[in-house]
Amino acid sequence: DAGVTQSPTHLIKTRGQQVTLRCSPKSGHDTVSWYQQALGQGPQFIFQYYEEEERQRGNFPDRFSGHQFPNYSSELNVNALLLGDSALYLCASSGPKVADTQYFGPGTRLTVL
Amino acid sequence: AQSVTQPDIHITVSEGASLELRCNYSYGATPYLFWYVQSPGQGLQLLLKYFSGDTLVQGIKGFEAEFKRSQSSFNLRKPSVHWSDAAEYFCAVGAGLTGGGNKLTFGTGTQLKVEL
Repeated sequence: DAGVTQSPTHLIKTRGQQVTLRCSPKSGHDTVSWYQQALGQGPQFIFQYYEEEERQRGNFPDRFSGHQFPNYSSELNVNALLLGDSALYLCASSGPKVADTQYFGPGTRLTVL
Repeated sequence: AQSVTQPDIHITVSEGASLELRCNYSYGATPYLFWYVQSPGQGLQLLLKYFSGDTLVQGIKGFEAEFKRSQSSFNLRKPSVHWSDAAEYFCAVGAGLTGGGNKLTFGTGTQLKVEL
């Protein structure tokens, strides 16, 4: 049973560019959440997708957007990259209920130069 | 809004010694509480979780945690640490979202070093 997968593993971009990160949830999960983990910090909630809709957004600007596909996979898009967007981006999948546990993928390391 | 405090940024223990990592949370309702572990450059692995019921919960790799509502704490313990336990440990509180699901709020983590 495959767990949560993310691609790519690493990415290097320059300021002002746009980036797309991808996530495939664990089998049987239909909810995907995205987190940003800056160096030396705990992960911070970006947003959650369920039934192809954004369920809730954390304190992140509109430059961060997402999408969920009918097969429950998800993309995170970041426009107009800033140096401060350099971080590990983690995807987590779960069931749809409040009490469902989130399982994390290995992350995508984004470096903005 | 919910928050999590992990007072210890770094902890060093000798292999075979006992371990306790502290976690304090702030949340208005009954919390969902989690401990995750992260090895360098890796994602987060769930160690254990508390939703309700017995306040002492058992997890993987010999870890346990105790929920103390009166102290707003959820400390992680292990009776005998192994060198492979060296990693970063994150405590998190889950808050329900309107319509279902939950979002996690994490502490800043505790880096565990194990001396041989």
